[in-house]
Amino acid sequence: GAGVSQSPSNKVTEKGKDVELRCDPISGHTALYWYRQSLGQGLEFLIYFQGNSAPDKSGLPSDRFSAERTGGSVSTLTIQRTQQEDSAVYLCASSLVIRDGYTFGSGTRLTVV
Amino acid sequence: SQQGEEDPQALSIQEGENATMNCSYKTSINNLQWYRQNSGRGLVHLILIRSNEREKHSGRLRVTLDTSKKSSSLLITASRAADTASYFCATDGIQGAQKLVFGQGTRLTINP
Repeated sequence: GAGVSQSPSNKVTEKGKDVELRCDPISGHTALYWYRQSLGQGLEFLIYFQGNSAPDKSGLPSDRFSAERTGGSVSTLTIQRTQQEDSAVYLCASSLVIRDGYTFGSGTRLTVV
Repeated sequence: SQQGEEDPQALSIQEGENATMNCSYKTSINNLQWYRQNSGRGLVHLILIRSNEREKHSGRLRVTLDTSKKSSSLLITASRAADTASYFCATDGIQGAQKLVFGQGTRLTINP
């Protein structure tokens, strides 16, 4: 596609429910990144995929968070048993190669009530 | 942990003036990048400067990098109302994982 696509754009969920956030990167981009941003804050790194290498999960805040990237393309970020502190904008980005500029999607605004 | 720290946190200037934002970082880098964010959603890549470069231009943007001081600056000349946004620096460290670490951003407001 022309850009990085994220869905849904907004998600309201009840505390304790599981959510799945989807990211469709630019075709051919080998690297895919997930960040989250709380209101008025900077970006917090979550996880990064590069080609067929094992993902860098060092930013995942707890074992309730997981992500996968199927076929080197689409990625899904799953949050289990959501908590109110999970409320944030979740941003996905991709880059053609590592150490390159990122192209970001528009993000998913997650609200846990 | 945050690698880059922007200064100031907020900046308000008149249209037509120049805006300067600064970024400091802690560890050695491969490159430093600047991004713009409108309305708290997706970020737009503005410019990438490598550790062996000292200055880079793109349109009305000028970025400098001083690796001895571990700092960078972003200058926007002849500002426009459309430049109102948050600006983030991000560093790609030499050590460890190959991902960008973002600062907290500078909120720039251009007054007409």
